[in-house]
Amino acid sequence: SAVISQKPSRDICQRGTSLTIQCQVDSQVTMMFWYRQQPGQSLTLIATANQGSEATYESGFVIDKFPISRPNLTFSTLTVSNMSPEDSSIYLCSANRAGTEAFFGQGTRLTVV
Amino acid sequence: AQSVTQLGSHVSVSEGALVLLRCNYSSSVPPYLFWYVQYPNQGLQLLLKYTSAATLVKGINGFEAEFKKSETSFHLTKPSAHMSDAAEYFCAVSDGFTGANSKLTFGKGITLSVRP
Repeated sequence: SAVISQKPSRDICQRGTSLTIQCQVDSQVTMMFWYRQQPGQSLTLIATANQGSEATYESGFVIDKFPISRPNLTFSTLTVSNMSPEDSSIYLCSANRAGTEAFFGQGTRLTVV
Repeated sequence: AQSVTQLGSHVSVSEGALVLLRCNYSSSVPPYLFWYVQYPNQGLQLLLKYTSAATLVKGINGFEAEFKKSETSFHLTKPSAHMSDAAEYFCAVSDGFTGANSKLTFGKGITLSVRP
């Protein structure tokens, strides 16, 4: 499978600020997704990053809070806006090509203070 | 709607003992099922997958899982645990590999501890 590079790997941010997480795949993929893993919890899908169009958000997640871009077939960003301590989580990017299973980046461990 | 149930949050076994991690799913369409492993401070790594072919699936590191439609289960097993197997294990389900069907629904995860 391809390799996903996620940046930053971790960050500590002040409440009220925003953080943009980058996800770079080393080859073209069909689908890209963003997940959140809250402390001690499982992974929850935030949204599907659609190439060249607005992301598709899951219930409970909105674009104003989690704006997503996907300008091409190998790159996506997730911004966590106006952060609060409740946003402290691991954020994971995943991708797959048609006909293959999803693979994941190493995740971004975010702490909001 | 899909869902995955992983009963219990923590399993502890002795080194060399059988590992059994349970997963039950709910899906309105024939499911694609996965087990992922997450080592501390790392991302998720695919252990194995079921995609409507053989019901007994073999994965990496000696793990295997059996799809049982009648029981809506996809339990993960390994005959002999190794210390390096200590990690968190997630069962997940999707509708397929194409487009929006490929998004995953995860269970809560199980932490596996291996005692010397």
